[in-house]
Amino acid sequence: KQEVTQIPAALSVPEGENLVLNCSFTDSAIYNLQWFRQDPGKGLTSLLLIQSSQREQTSGRLNASLDKSSGRSTLYIAASQPGDSATYLCAVANAGNMLTFGGGTRLMVKP
Amino acid sequence: GAGVSQSPSNKVTEKGKDVELRCDPISGHTALYWYRQSLGQGLEFLIYFQGNSAPDKSGLPSDRFSAERTGGSVSTLTIQRTQQEDSAVYLCASSLAVGRGPGNTIYFGEGSWLTVV
Repeated sequence: KQEVTQIPAALSVPEGENLVLNCSFTDSAIYNLQWFRQDPGKGLTSLLLIQSSQREQTSGRLNASLDKSSGRSTLYIAASQPGDSATYLCAVANAGNMLTFGGGTRLMVKP
Repeated sequence: GAGVSQSPSNKVTEKGKDVELRCDPISGHTALYWYRQSLGQGLEFLIYFQGNSAPDKSGLPSDRFSAERTGGSVSTLTIQRTQQEDSAVYLCASSLAVGRGPGNTIYFGEGSWLTVV
């Protein structure tokens, strides 16, 4: 059974800092890995999707990497802003595109 | 529509009543998923529809839960005889394709917040 773990569970940083969120998974036979953002009381917004054959994806200030063999992914946020405050969720897709989610990292960026 | 649409956005119901939650996926998306997010818990897979194939119901927590997808588009999640532990956010998602490839990004709706009192 796939298990996904996110570290840290919570993170508070001053505005402008670069930061890294970590995600690990136990079964490397994945189709893809997706990072989501969830604001309080809202649904999930897809940030980046990395196919199993890829090593990284970039979107603006976000960069996600994937090391499938070691079962790890990182989400790098450059020059953090208060608007980045949210919960970040990592999810891996196995057969059937069913997602297994990590517990999330609650990020607070202080002005 | 532009995104995944869910209704109602909020529902308060009495214990023992039945509820129906609706999901309208992104037009043209063949795959539809239901997930549940309970307070303090992670996201839990419930059920998955892909085209005309039989749905994957492996995540449904009990036989009080059922879902259908009519015409390959709109889906309804039904919870019978609701219990307090059913209180959660029920999230619907859809994707253009399944498996490997660029079309399998999964898009979520805003969720239906269910409170059973």
